[in-house]
Amino acid sequence: AQSVTQLDSQVPVFEEAPVELRCNYSSSVSVYLFWYVQYPNQGLQLLLKYLSGSTLVKGINGFEAEFNKSQTSFHLRKPSVHISDTAEYFCAVSEETSGSRLTFGEGTQLTVNP
Amino acid sequence: DADVTQTPRNRITKTGKRIMLECSQTKGHDRMYWYRQDPGLGLRLIYYSFDVKDINKGEISDGYSVSRQAQAKFSLSLESAIPNQTALYFCATGAKTGLRTGELFFGEGSRLTVL
Repeated sequence: AQSVTQLDSQVPVFEEAPVELRCNYSSSVSVYLFWYVQYPNQGLQLLLKYLSGSTLVKGINGFEAEFNKSQTSFHLRKPSVHISDTAEYFCAVSEETSGSRLTFGEGTQLTVNP
Repeated sequence: DADVTQTPRNRITKTGKRIMLECSQTKGHDRMYWYRQDPGLGLRLIYYSFDVKDINKGEISDGYSVSRQAQAKFSLSLESAIPNQTALYFCATGAKTGLRTGELFFGEGSRLTVL
């Protein structure tokens, strides 16, 4: 069975600072990996995804993530954050054999302070 | 109009009452899902459906039931609500395969409080 662990429940940063949100996964088969973002009082929306190919994937709003198979990690990064990036971020995994059945991590609340 | 619409958006009810949360979508997707979100626990899958005749239990289906009335409609029922079912519930849809693999489209959520 697949599982996801987000290593930080809360990450406070100052505006224009770099940020990394950490995600580790566990699975015995090949996986697809995702980051979703949830702004206050909204549903989740896809930030980026890794299906295959290049291990560095770029998403919306300047975010990127790197798939590291040996470390079973998929950390999310942004070189310079804005106040508007304040949101909860969820890492998710699906196994290739399970189709679009996602398992989500616990979430990381990113708070960007002025 | 939203592609994935949930009703009601907010509901307060009492222990033992029957509650139905409804979801409709205009994305034309075959796959529909119900998740619940609790602080510190992320999103957990309750039920999912890959087409009208296909219903599957997720990781926390006890106390819940679903109905896929049409390709575009997927409802979640709590036959006898209890306080620990107080949560934010999300409906989501997804395409079958291809570049959209794994990309889910979420409604805005239904906040349920059971007193």
